[in-house]
Amino acid sequence: AQSVTQLDSHVSVSEGTPVLLRCNYSSSYSPSLFWYVQHPNKGLQLLLKYTSAATLVKGINGFEAEFKKSETSFHLTKPSAHMSDAAEYFCVVSPLGGNAGNMLTFGGGTRLMVKP
Amino acid sequence: AAGVIQSPRHLIKEKRETATLKCYPIPRHDTVYWYQQGPGQDPQFLISFYEKMQSDKGSIPDRFSAQQFSDYHSELNMSSLELGDSALYFCASSQVAGKRHEQYFGPGTRLTVT
Repeated sequence: AQSVTQLDSHVSVSEGTPVLLRCNYSSSYSPSLFWYVQHPNKGLQLLLKYTSAATLVKGINGFEAEFKKSETSFHLTKPSAHMSDAAEYFCVVSPLGGNAGNMLTFGGGTRLMVKP
Repeated sequence: AAGVIQSPRHLIKEKRETATLKCYPIPRHDTVYWYQQGPGQDPQFLISFYEKMQSDKGSIPDRFSAQQFSDYHSELNMSSLELGDSALYFCASSQVAGKRHEQYFGPGTRLTVT
């Protein structure tokens, strides 16, 4: 069994300030972890992924996330927020296995708002 | 680069009607996944197919069925539609042959049931 908890449903930051979106996971298996972003009325875009290689993962648009097994966390950060970062962000877990059809389990989402 | 294609992008149906959603995966991707995202909710996994065989099943209602065809495209068939079926339906694809495969999502089909 696997689950994901995003600790904040809404996060508001000012443009140019750091972003922190928190995510904790639970998985019976060694997990793959992802962050997806969804802009209004758009599809889901992969920001970054962790798959048991380096624990600090760099993604697109300046985002990065650190896998901390001891804390079962995979928080998403960005040093400086941009207005275009305003969107819904989903932390996602998938079991790390060789089987086909590994379904993704989504967290509840965090809506990031960026103030000018 | 080619992405996942979903059609139609928008669909309006009445209660008790049927609907068919189509998904065309990225070339050389052999696995297709279907997700349902209700208003203000996170996506929920419905069903997946690998090499034309069902591989995982999630919270898919019995009124829904799906299949993957020889060209790897997939169709989600929805019958006896209910108001609660109104949602954004995403298809994703991945290439299982590689390890640590990530899923690439299509733009979604927005289904409105009136």
